[in-house]
Amino acid sequence: QKEVEQNSGPLSVPEGAIASLNCTYSDRGSQSFFWYRQYSGKSPELIMFIYSNGDKEDGRFTAQLNKASQYVSLLIRDSQPSDSATYLCAVSPQGNEKLTFGTGTRLTIIP
Amino acid sequence: AAGVIQSPRHLIKEKRETATLKCYPIPRHDTVYWYQQGPGQDPQFLISFYEKMQSDKGSIPDRFSAQQFSDYHSELNMSSLELGDSALYFCASSFYSNEQFFGPGTRLTVL
Repeated sequence: QKEVEQNSGPLSVPEGAIASLNCTYSDRGSQSFFWYRQYSGKSPELIMFIYSNGDKEDGRFTAQLNKASQYVSLLIRDSQPSDSATYLCAVSPQGNEKLTFGTGTRLTIIP
Repeated sequence: AAGVIQSPRHLIKEKRETATLKCYPIPRHDTVYWYQQGPGQDPQFLISFYEKMQSDKGSIPDRFSAQQFSDYHSELNMSSLELGDSALYFCASSFYSNEQFFGPGTRLTVL
């Protein structure tokens, strides 16, 4: 079992709808949680980070963290074709430490 | 804003040759991380440096070595290259917090 699990998809969402991406992790000591977006052949781009239980909103993106359930999610509102990419969930034990990535969810926004 | 710089962007080597990848972190960032991403895989942590000292080590082969210099740039040295070393190599940097920003990557092809 991987330390960080994601549904590999592909996940298809109509343009303008809400895309919901999920991630679970196995290490209860994990303290920092990140969502990266990666276009094919490009580098991971940091979208959101969350450290505390609850919701964190930034523009069209909302990250949700539930440490008791070891669950992190990312919601993308008003999905745009440019949101089509692979979304990587990453987890870190504490500050300034290595990231452990999930295998990523491929998201396709359908015009 | 300045980003992480990696060079070269593309590198083609023969088996058993040596390669050196360079990384220039975002100014004032004190921590550098190296990740390897094989085709269709998630990034795997190799090694990290904090204030020029090795801070963590992941699944880095003994054939690979790395260091961080006084100007904070880092180099990943890879010897006795194998076909399986063909991958994207990303450098990321961070300052104090755990938000890592990735460079554009070096695509290494071993023939």
